[in-house]
Amino acid sequence: DAGITQSPRHKVTETGTPVTLRCHQTENHRYMYWYRQDPGHGLRLIHYSYGVKDTDKGEVSDGYSVSRSKTEDFLLTLESATSSQTSVYFCAISEPYTTTGGEKLFFGSGTQLSVL
Amino acid sequence: AQKVTQAQTEISVVEKEDVTLDCVYETRDTTYYLFWYKQPPSGELVFLIRRNSFDEQNEISGRYSWNFQKSTSSFNFTITASQVVDSAVYFCALSVYGQNFVFGPGTRLSVLP
Repeated sequence: DAGITQSPRHKVTETGTPVTLRCHQTENHRYMYWYRQDPGHGLRLIHYSYGVKDTDKGEVSDGYSVSRSKTEDFLLTLESATSSQTSVYFCAISEPYTTTGGEKLFFGSGTQLSVL
Repeated sequence: AQKVTQAQTEISVVEKEDVTLDCVYETRDTTYYLFWYKQPPSGELVFLIRRNSFDEQNEISGRYSWNFQKSTSSFNFTITASQVVDSAVYFCALSVYGQNFVFGPGTRLSVLP
């Protein structure tokens, strides 16, 4: 199994407070992703990174920021948490596309975030 | 833009029944990849299969089989002789050029003893 660790596993916070979720990988993969999972929506991409300090927005990036200062770490920050950001957050890694085929995503165990 | 539709929100079957989970995708790209992931009650996401757009051969792995039809933009998943351990949420996903993974909303499968 891919070495992906998410922390914390569970977090309860109050509206308006900043929250940072951490994703750590031991695979030296270039691409890292943050998804959120909500009932009826499946997994939706928040942000992704294609290298150190290289990030881009996904489908639902409003209210979130990310940083990647090292290959192994990808941080997701909610600057001012809102109740609509209550969700399960998954980090994922993949190798980049090559002519031999696209790569699959490996997921972390997820972080359950509740914003009260 | 890419899109994945899983029209079945929830399915319930009795153990040993066969069940098919539907997946319909949309993309304008000619090179793409299709995936199925399983999310058991424990919450982790487990990779099941990857299929590229140039390989329309159906695949069988034990009780699992996948039917890929480009003509109907479908990538359906069949579980034969279902078991209680198959109870999970199943996600179909699409990626273009190996990135930009797009997931369907998922189908919750309940296999009753």
